[in-house]
Amino acid sequence: EVQLVESGGGLVQPGGSLRLSCVASGFSFNNYYMTWVRQAPEKGLEWVANIKKDGSEKYYVDSVKGRFTISRDNAKNSVYLQMNSLRAEDTAVYYCTTDRGYKCEYWGQGTLVTVSS
Amino acid sequence: QSALTQPASVSGSPGQSITISCTGTSSDVGSYNFVSWYQQHPGKAPKLMIYEGSKRPSGVSDRFSGSKSGNTATLTISGLQAEDEADYHCCSYAGTSTYVFGTGTKVTVL
Repeated sequence: EVQLVESGGGLVQPGGSLRLSCVASGFSFNNYYMTWVRQAPEKGLEWVANIKKDGSEKYYVDSVKGRFTISRDNAKNSVYLQMNSLRAEDTAVYYCTTDRGYKCEYWGQGTLVTVSS
Repeated sequence: QSALTQPASVSGSPGQSITISCTGTSSDVGSYNFVSWYQQHPGKAPKLMIYEGSKRPSGVSDRFSGSKSGNTATLTISGLQAEDEADYHCCSYAGTSTYVFGTGTKVTVL
């Protein structure tokens, strides 16, 4: 059974940092790009970032470039999202998802990030 | 990287068919046959329903179908059922390993 389990969310002040983690199981992790998608309260989904199978290439939505960093550790079947200089508009549920064949097939349950003073 | 445009809400009676549009640009929907659709029930993670515009993953009902014309993709739900009441999101490949999602559509079964 495929499982993606996110952790690391919480309440953080504007300008603060947070590191999200996602542990994968049930599939060949190193054969998939991995992606972070977020959903602000009562809003649609937003693609945030993805990372190539070997971690050699990373891509970001413009609004997080220079502030967020995606990384992965294939030995630990894990993908991470380091979020710095957080803003109120980064408040959202962050989902970890697989990315292969131009589709997000498997999703985690999400972790809530709240940026507020 | 502007969000794709979807209607905020669509409704239909049980047994009817509904369509949800997803309008992008020539840089995303219009350039690639890589539109996917996701169903999301309240408080739950999204679920892949359609990929590559019209393909269904194993286990997804054939009542769900997808198509594309120009810069607009469409999801059709036939034989609407109560369990189809959910939010639906489209997503398109936008080049250079980036993607853009739609604004989301709430489907109500009357």
